[in-house]
Amino acid sequence: KAGVTQTPRYLIKTRGQQVTLSCSPISGHRSVSWYQQTPGQGLQFLFEYFSETQRNKGNFPGRFSGRQFSNSRSEMNVSTLELGDSALYLCASSLVAGVGYGYTFGSGTRLTVV
Amino acid sequence: SQQGEEDPQALSIQEGENATMNCSYKTSINNLQWYRQNSGRGLVHLILIRSNEREKHSGRLRVTLDTSKKSSSLLITASRAADTASYFCATDKGQGGSEKLVFGKGTKLTVNP
Repeated sequence: KAGVTQTPRYLIKTRGQQVTLSCSPISGHRSVSWYQQTPGQGLQFLFEYFSETQRNKGNFPGRFSGRQFSNSRSEMNVSTLELGDSALYLCASSLVAGVGYGYTFGSGTRLTVV
Repeated sequence: SQQGEEDPQALSIQEGENATMNCSYKTSINNLQWYRQNSGRGLVHLILIRSNEREKHSGRLRVTLDTSKKSSSLLITASRAADTASYFCATDKGQGGSEKLVFGKGTKLTVNP
């Protein structure tokens, strides 16, 4: 079966712009989580969606938002980009909500803010 | 905030040798997971071990969990060059008991042919 698909793979944006990243989970998976990975902070949890509802949120400013559609596809949006938002953004899907089972990760979107 | 802390930060071994990576964490957990990441790509789930389990095997991987010491170890036996990657432990409890995967900073493993 197809894995978790993230688009685009690479993105270059200018400070102040906004960006939307997309994630298509494994077919049948209803939970989607987003993580930010940077060399300094490592992997940081952004949010989790399950059945179109945000179930959990990490400690990120309100510029970071997300949503999930009825087909479980998810998008995350970052507004007013800052240089520090440059990171690898990873999406993970799971059959059920929560962290009781392993996640399947996508290959990520590498965002560079200049 | 990091919950798990891997040790060592980097490990370099020869093909055929065993590699052991350790993870310590701070709060009580329901489960602990290990993931592998190849050079800037997505993470691959390796093993999940629940708090009532002490040891788990998957192929050449062996994971132990000691909840009294709040620590876990990942052993890769008979390593191969293809095992070169970063390995992360992740616990299922953030600060305040929030349910989310909290990753350590990882151990970078290099297996030399």
